[in-house]
Amino acid sequence: ILNVEQSPQSLHVQEGDSTNFTCSFPSSNFYALHWYRWETAKSPEALFVMTLNGDEKKKGRISATLNTKEGYSYLYIKGSQPEDSATYLCALILTGGGNKLTFGTGTQLKVEL
Amino acid sequence: SAVISQKPSRDICQRGTSLTIQCQVDSQVTMMFWYRQQPGQSLTLIATANQGSEATYESGFVIDKFPISRPNLTFSTLTVSNMSPEDSSIYLCSVRSNTGELFFGEGSRLTVL
Repeated sequence: ILNVEQSPQSLHVQEGDSTNFTCSFPSSNFYALHWYRWETAKSPEALFVMTLNGDEKKKGRISATLNTKEGYSYLYIKGSQPEDSATYLCALILTGGGNKLTFGTGTQLKVEL
Repeated sequence: SAVISQKPSRDICQRGTSLTIQCQVDSQVTMMFWYRQQPGQSLTLIATANQGSEATYESGFVIDKFPISRPNLTFSTLTVSNMSPEDSSIYLCSVRSNTGELFFGEGSRLTVL
């Protein structure tokens, strides 16, 4: 069984705070890591696809880093806004896995005014 | 990007009944994916629906319980058969982009009483 772990499970922050959360995965046979944002009553939306050790990607106030050797990725949100409230999912693809994504259980972020 | 429409968006069903979920994509795609998220669990792949051939099921999922149709390159259905309360989940269909990330429908939230 492939374990993709996300922490924390949930997080409450104040508007304007910066925050980050973690996705941990087995470091062997790594192919790619995806981050998705899933707002309530909407479709999950892809944020980043990361493939290289040391990758850093940015989209507005959200950024992500990847360390494939130690098996983790961080997602950072700078200056959180209420519209950032969502569940953030990471998903791992292994080499030889046929592009199959294995998802973590997500980090539920609530940004309060 | 792809626009994916799913219906129903939610339903409350009685134990022992079956429900069919429909998924329509606005472009032709070779593979469509059906996922399930049970409460507190990660998003889990049920099966891959290929046009013109039988769906490929993941470990723990069987055709008798989750029959899938794929009559053309833009449409698929997933039936949840003989439902029990354990089938209460969000069911999502998705397609993969050329760059590897998934596009999802808005999900079908099933509650089985």
